[in-house]
Amino acid sequence: KAGVTQTPRYLIKTRGQQVTLSCSPISGHRSVSWYQQTPGQGLQFLFEYFSETQRNKGNFPGRFSGRQFSNSRSEMNVSTLELGDSALYLCASSQLGGQGDTPGELFFGEGSRLTVL
Amino acid sequence: AQKVTQAQTEISVVEKEDVTLDCVYETRDTTYYLFWYKQPPSGELVFLIRRNSFDEQNEISGRYSWNFQKSTSSFNFTITASQVVDSAVYFCALRGGRGSNYKLTFGKGTLLTVNP
Repeated sequence: KAGVTQTPRYLIKTRGQQVTLSCSPISGHRSVSWYQQTPGQGLQFLFEYFSETQRNKGNFPGRFSGRQFSNSRSEMNVSTLELGDSALYLCASSQLGGQGDTPGELFFGEGSRLTVL
Repeated sequence: AQKVTQAQTEISVVEKEDVTLDCVYETRDTTYYLFWYKQPPSGELVFLIRRNSFDEQNEISGRYSWNFQKSTSSFNFTITASQVVDSAVYFCALRGGRGSNYKLTFGKGTLLTVNP
């Protein structure tokens, strides 16, 4: 069974540009979450999608957005990049996701490492 | 609001020593779930354990054991006879219930280095 796949694995952008990151969850998983990991702030929750609907959102500015497609694949976009957006962006999928379900374990991808110059 | 505190930023031990990673959490939810994840240098977080708020039984899995104490809001993780392969960053996480919209919050992680 293939794991969570994130692309690209590494990318370098300059300030002001925008970036789109992609996440393919494990087959059958309908919940996808995104996290930003930096040395200073640790793992911070960005957003969670379930069945194409954003269910939860973290405390990030509107420059950070995401979406989920009918096949559960998800993308996140960061516009007008800033130096502080340099981070490892992790995607996680989960089999269970309906509210009230016992939360299943999250399966994480290896992340997309973004460097903003 | 929910919060997870891992007070130990870094721990360094010698192989075969036992080591305990501390985790203290805060939540107003009565139903919640606690997790531990391991992040090796490759970056991918690996699930280790899930515990719900109604199950305070301690758990042992090989060299790993977890001590959940609701009275002190702690969910500590012990590695017995540590090995070099245990070197990684370990994260404790809390998933709240309906009151927090099932949000998952991570602690800042503890970097464990096991030296040969």
